[in-house]
Amino acid sequence: SYVLTQPLSVSVAPGQTARITCGGNNIGRKSVQWYQQKPGQAPVLVVYDDSDRPSGIPERFSGSNSGNTATLTISRVEAGDEADYYCQVWDRTSDHLYVFGTGTKVTVL
Amino acid sequence: QVQLQQRGAGLLKPSETLSLTCGVHGGSFSGYYWTWIRQSPGKGLEWIGEINHSGRTKYNPSFKSRVTISLDTSNNQFSLNLSSVTAADTAAYYCARASYDFWSGGTGYYYGVDVWGQGTTVTVSS
Repeated sequence: SYVLTQPLSVSVAPGQTARITCGGNNIGRKSVQWYQQKPGQAPVLVVYDDSDRPSGIPERFSGSNSGNTATLTISRVEAGDEADYYCQVWDRTSDHLYVFGTGTKVTVL
Repeated sequence: QVQLQQRGAGLLKPSETLSLTCGVHGGSFSGYYWTWIRQSPGKGLEWIGEINHSGRTKYNPSFKSRVTISLDTSNNQFSLNLSSVTAADTAAYYCARASYDFWSGGTGYYYGVDVWGQGTTVTVSS
């Protein structure tokens, strides 16, 4: 089945830019979603279809996808952005239809 | 604004059946997939299965022999049954709405898992 690999953790100072990668074989050919999950809460969709934002998600959250890597970029990081982030794709070629990344813990220093 | 409200037992003994229900408030079943996702303590997200508005289901092969997802449109809810639970099934379980579809030629639309329930912590212990 399809595998998505993320770094375990990313640390960033307030006001700086955090970049979270999601690696997968030819992931650029798939649509990538990103979710933010804070402790004790359900995940929240922050980016869908590689780079689109749901209503209510700040423009500071942006996404890109090419080749074997998708990236979630958080600009002007705030303390409230500290959370776990998961990438996700739908694999239409497999019974493992929803594939989630391993997750990245973003720490705001 | 669609909201999902979960209910069900949070403590089970090994070999029992996990049963959770997700009420759908403020929206229609049509055009979406209704899914269950779980998260073991300290771990990542794991897809269990989904059902569409006409009752067609797809399951993660890892659960296929134990899982049933059903739809009750008259009561605006869908449910998860997972049989023969073990300690490995201890997790937070989430119901959610997925907005996507596959079209021919490798195209489709992918709007994400955009609405989530509040989660139910299920513990399996003797």
